[in-house]
Amino acid sequence: SQQGEEDPQALSIQEGENATMNCSYKTSINNLQWYRQNSGRGLVHLILIRSNEREKHSGRLRVTLDTSKKSSSLLITASRAADTASYFCATDSSGYSTLTFGKGTMLLVSP
Amino acid sequence: GAVVSQHPSRVICKSGTSVKIECRSLDFQATTMFWYRQFPKKSLMLMATSNEGSKATYEQGVEKDKFLINHASLTLSTLTVTSAHPEDSSFYICSARGLETQYFGPGTRLLVL
Repeated sequence: SQQGEEDPQALSIQEGENATMNCSYKTSINNLQWYRQNSGRGLVHLILIRSNEREKHSGRLRVTLDTSKKSSSLLITASRAADTASYFCATDSSGYSTLTFGKGTMLLVSP
Repeated sequence: GAVVSQHPSRVICKSGTSVKIECRSLDFQATTMFWYRQFPKKSLMLMATSNEGSKATYEQGVEKDKFLINHASLTLSTLTVTSAHPEDSSFYICSARGLETQYFGPGTRLLVL
């Protein structure tokens, strides 16, 4: 079953701009993860944030987690055309890496 | 990260035939693998959890006799779509359980005519 709900469903920006995607979930979690999927391909793990963490950085990625609001955001700074992809949040409530995926945000970065 | 492969990457078959998809973890032993199904522009739907040496655990609504899963070794899980029909056409993705995350294969596009 779907747990996460991302918004927006689609986002179109210009190169150099920042892209922010949000994810809300319903149950308590051990961690929340963000994945990227290029069209017709598998998923690539981007970043994991644990339930006791509030913010995490990895390169141009910044993830926040607010467990009181059951929400997370993914910020991609200085976006590039190569960032064009679908981005999914996934929650792990079991602690055994069993993931429940959100519906995803399709990001289009135009040159 | 760890590497997971899938074979074939795409397959076209006639209605009524069976199709086998292989998922291999190339550089680590995966006691648990997952099989997902993804419709166009939609999210991943977990079909089943595949455990090495034991029966797979299927999600509600997934027919276990339709989607046969075998995880006979620590590096290989297979999904067989039996008596495939056009409505089984989809993108099937496997993953292997890591320490805190999952490592995904590149997916298999199945088209049933």
